[in-house]
Parts: sequence; C-alpha cells; structure tokens
Amino acid sequence: AQSVTQLDSQVPVFEEAPVELRCNYSSSVSVYLFWYVQYPNQGLQLLLKYLSGSTLVKGINGFEAEFNKSQTSFHLRKPSVHISDTAEYFCAVTLNTGNQFYFGTGTSLTVIP
Amino acid sequence: DSGVTQTPKHLITATGQRVTLRCSPRSGDLSVYWYQQSLDQGLQFLIQYYNGEERAKGNILERFSAQQFPDLHSELNLSSLELGDSALYFCASSVGANTLYEQYFGPGTRLTVT
Repeated sequence: AQSVTQLDSQVPVFEEAPVELRCNYSSSVSVYLFWYVQYPNQGLQLLLKYLSGSTLVKGINGFEAEFNKSQTSFHLRKPSVHISDTAEYFCAVTLNTGNQFYFGTGTSLTVIP
Repeated sequence: DSGVTQTPKHLITATGQRVTLRCSPRSGDLSVYWYQQSLDQGLQFLIQYYNGEERAKGNILERFSAQQFPDLHSELNLSSLELGDSALYFCASSVGANTLYEQYFGPGTRLTVT
C-alpha cells in the first residue's frame, strides 16, 4: 500500500526566514513525487515534481525539494519566505504505473510579518 | 487561472437529494480527474477519465458516478446525499492519460448538505 505523510499540519514562520515542509512516503514500488500549493479559496497548483534524474528539484516561486530514496522523503524548502507564500501545501505521490494520485494531509504554512 | 472551469461554485442541498457537478478541462487536455477535499478525509482521488473512457478509480462511493462526454467536459453525479458528503470537489485536467503529466486544477465546487 502507498501512503504519504506530512509530518507537520501547521508551520508558522517569520517573513524572510527559511522554511522546510516535511514529506515522507511509503511504497513497495517506484514512485514519483509532487508538491502542490493551494492558496485560499483556490484550486491546487503544481510547485514541482520529481520523476527521475537529479534528486534536487527546483520549482516555481523559489521552492525546491530533495528526493531521498533511502529515507523515503521529499522535503520542500525555501530559503526566504514571503507573506504571499501563506498557503496550504500538499505532497503527493503516484506510482510508476501512473494511474492514481495519493495526497498527504497538507501543511498549512503561515508567514508572519 | 488554470483554464479549468467548474460549475456551480457553491451548492447547498438536503440529505437524500442528487446533484451534478460540471467540469470543463483546459483546451487540448484529454484527461479529467475528480477529487474530494474534506476536513476529516483530506484530499482524495475519486475517478479519472481519459478521452471519454474511465481510466482509474479511487475512493469513489457507489452513490457517486461520473462520465466524460465527447466534447471532453465531465460531470460528477452525487446521489442519496448524506451530511458527510459535504466537501470541496475539485476537477483537474491533464493532456495525457498518465498521472506523470501535470494536472491543472479548477477552483472547485463547494457542496453543503443540510
């Protein structure tokens, strides 16, 4: 069975501080990993994805994530957050068969001025 | 704006009723996905259609059904509604059948069952 665990449900951080949102997955087969962001009252938007190749993936809005196979993690990082980064962040995994998505429970990031 | 449209934006109905949610994918996208987002269950994949055919099924209840029409728009039908069906229902579209393709999400339909 596949599952995605986002370890922190809420992360408050001061403006211009760095942030890391944690994501761990479990799967018996190869997976592909994604981070989506949901701004208030909007749908989800893709931040970045890991399919293969370099384990450090850069996405939009200055976010990056590192795939760590041995630790089955795909943590999201940003070196300096802005007020506009306040949103809900979802980690997601899909199997190498590519026919179903599993989302984590989300991490609510609040950037404090 | 993702290019995916969903109607209606809000829907309030009573238990036992039936509703239809509509989704129009981005131009050129052949896949449509339906998701349910609720406070207790989080974001759950319901079902995927690709070019009119059902391609993958997730945690979709038997009371729920969906279809994709020749013009590629999709409808999600929810029947015998229960209070627990209150949620935000998202539609997403992508160009290919495989989930490796980026999914573009609509703004959602908020369903309230009273």
